[in-house]
Amino acid sequence: GAGVSQSPSNKVTEKGKDVELRCDPISGHTALYWYRQRLGQGLEFLIYFQGNSAPDKSGLPSDRFSAERTGESVSTLTIQRTQQEDSAVYLCASSFGVNQPQHFGDGTRLSIL
Amino acid sequence: GESVGLHLPTLSVQEGDNSIINCAYSNSASDYFIWYKQESGKGPQFIIDIRSNMDKRQGQRVTVLLNKTVKHLSLQIAATQPGDSAVYFCADSYSGNTPLVFGKGTRLSVIA
Repeated sequence: GAGVSQSPSNKVTEKGKDVELRCDPISGHTALYWYRQRLGQGLEFLIYFQGNSAPDKSGLPSDRFSAERTGESVSTLTIQRTQQEDSAVYLCASSFGVNQPQHFGDGTRLSIL
Repeated sequence: GESVGLHLPTLSVQEGDNSIINCAYSNSASDYFIWYKQESGKGPQFIIDIRSNMDKRQGQRVTVLLNKTVKHLSLQIAATQPGDSAVYFCADSYSGNTPLVFGKGTRLSVIA
């Protein structure tokens, strides 16, 4: 499709398990972003990529969170040893450049039991 | 600034009235500003943007006003409709290799 695609759309897992969230950006977009959004709240910046490198990892909540991007395309956000506090919607966005409008996917709704 | 750990303020308007959603930004060097609309279960969608060399920009039923003196941004929606009910986020950035910084968001509720 033409937009940002995220998978899975929903993920339910047990506390302590690892999860991997995927983002396929719009073709040609060099910048890619991850956000977390808890229920009824705003956007919490996690990390962004310019190409395959991540200049700013300051938003990652803990060392259980990591992200990578390959081929200036798909990105994965990995959460290890999930906790109930990790339950949220994880949104991905991409843009032509860092100082350009971001286009968002519809997110992955993560529920930790 | 960042929008972490806060519940969203709510604006309720009557259908057909005009809505004004306000946003304050903190970085006086910001030169690019943007508004997003987020409907339930969806990702934020681009509405309108404005650069710092302008103080007003109009779209279809929406107008963005920028006051750089007091670092204030507003979104005006004319003849508000039920479909406008959503959460609205402002964001800003400055030239260079820095991403958008999102505001805390405002929930707009349209009363039919």
